[in-house]
Amino acid sequence: ETGVTQSPTHLIKTRGQQVTLRCSSQSGHNTVSWYQQALGQGPQFIFQYYREEENGRGNFPPRFSGLQFPNYSSELNVNALELDDSALYLCASSLDTGSYEQYFGPGTRLTVT
Amino acid sequence: GENVEQHPSTLSVQEGDSAVIKCTYSDSASNYFPWYKQELGKGPQLIIDIRSNVGEKKDQRIAVTLNKTAKHFSLHITETQPEDSAVYFCAASARSGNTPLVFGKGTRLSVIA
Repeated sequence: ETGVTQSPTHLIKTRGQQVTLRCSSQSGHNTVSWYQQALGQGPQFIFQYYREEENGRGNFPPRFSGLQFPNYSSELNVNALELDDSALYLCASSLDTGSYEQYFGPGTRLTVT
Repeated sequence: GENVEQHPSTLSVQEGDSAVIKCTYSDSASNYFPWYKQELGKGPQLIIDIRSNVGEKKDQRIAVTLNKTAKHFSLHITETQPEDSAVYFCAASARSGNTPLVFGKGTRLSVIA
């Protein structure tokens, strides 16, 4: 069974640029959630995707957007990057939207300069 | 919305001693309480969880207790080992699936050999 994978591992961007982060869900899981983890903090929910549709969103501005593909992999896009967007971005998959357990990938460390 | 408080923020114990981390939550509708372990440079790993229909759950050296009346839950690690050193996060969510996990700020556990 393949766990959650994310790419890239690290990324450095300049303020104002755009970035795309990728996530492959655990085998058999159709629901993907994205979280932002600032240094020294717990993860904060950005949004969830289920069957290619956004299925819940946290308190993040519209410049944070996402996609889910038919194979359940997902992308997180952030436009007009700000310095405060520097964080570890985590993807978590669950068996389906009715499941409790969420399993996290290793994350993508984004640095905005 | 849900708010999760976690204490202590740092904890140092001697190898072989027990460690206890406590969390409180605010939303009485929360019914799922997982604990995650995050090692340096990695994503959070689900180590144990409890649902609101039980008061205690144990898995080898790890146990979690839940007091729904007081809205608090705790992680207990017995016979600690150096490899238990990590940051531990508690989380809570109401319902399943598309209700996101709300995390505490984490506890940095150091096990001193």
